[in-house]
Amino acid sequence: NAGVTQTPKFQVLKTGQSMTLQCAQDMNHEYMSWYRQDPGMGLRLIHYSVGAGITDQGEVPNGYNVSRSTTEDFPLRLLSAAPSQTSVYFCASSFTGTGTFYGYTFGSGTRLTVV
Amino acid sequence: SQQGEEDPQALSIQEGENATMNCSYKTSINNLQWYRQNSGRGLVHLILIRSNEREKHSGRLRVTLDTSKKSSSLLITASRAADTASYFCATENSGNTPLVFGKGTRLSVIA
Repeated sequence: NAGVTQTPKFQVLKTGQSMTLQCAQDMNHEYMSWYRQDPGMGLRLIHYSVGAGITDQGEVPNGYNVSRSTTEDFPLRLLSAAPSQTSVYFCASSFTGTGTFYGYTFGSGTRLTVV
Repeated sequence: SQQGEEDPQALSIQEGENATMNCSYKTSINNLQWYRQNSGRGLVHLILIRSNEREKHSGRLRVTLDTSKKSSSLLITASRAADTASYFCATENSGNTPLVFGKGTRLSVIA
């Protein structure tokens, strides 16, 4: 049982390049989300999804796109990388339920540097 | 925007001592969760407390929740060097909304 798998673990991009951060989970979780973590800022929500075909914006969505074509995968696309997007990116997943609460399972993160 | 605010930002204790971290939040919640993050790793879920609960235990962890004061505390008893990590509180404000995380408390346990 792999849990949440993020690839790549490290990436260096030049300003203006695009790329996709991959996230896959094998726990049949309906809910998936992307956070970025910057020093002193905690985790900030970028985008999230409550099921296949459904996505929504979080606190800091600008410059990022997502799609959810399957339950397992939730890729994050950087359209035109900027130095301000240098960060550590975490994908998380969870079951959802009415009246029942679940903790998140996090991936190990992608450390992205934009130069 | 940050919902939870942890206090202190950093804490250094000796092995065997107890560690207490606090979290304050601003709006009503469905539940509050605590996570641990070891350096360079992802977050790990520790414990969840519902808004109608006041206290929960899990091993050496004790979490309290005071909804009237909009605050929670995480107590780690008999701390070990392996407890060295950052600890985050996170709140779910209403049904199935994403968790909002605080900025974390960095705990150092000195052997």
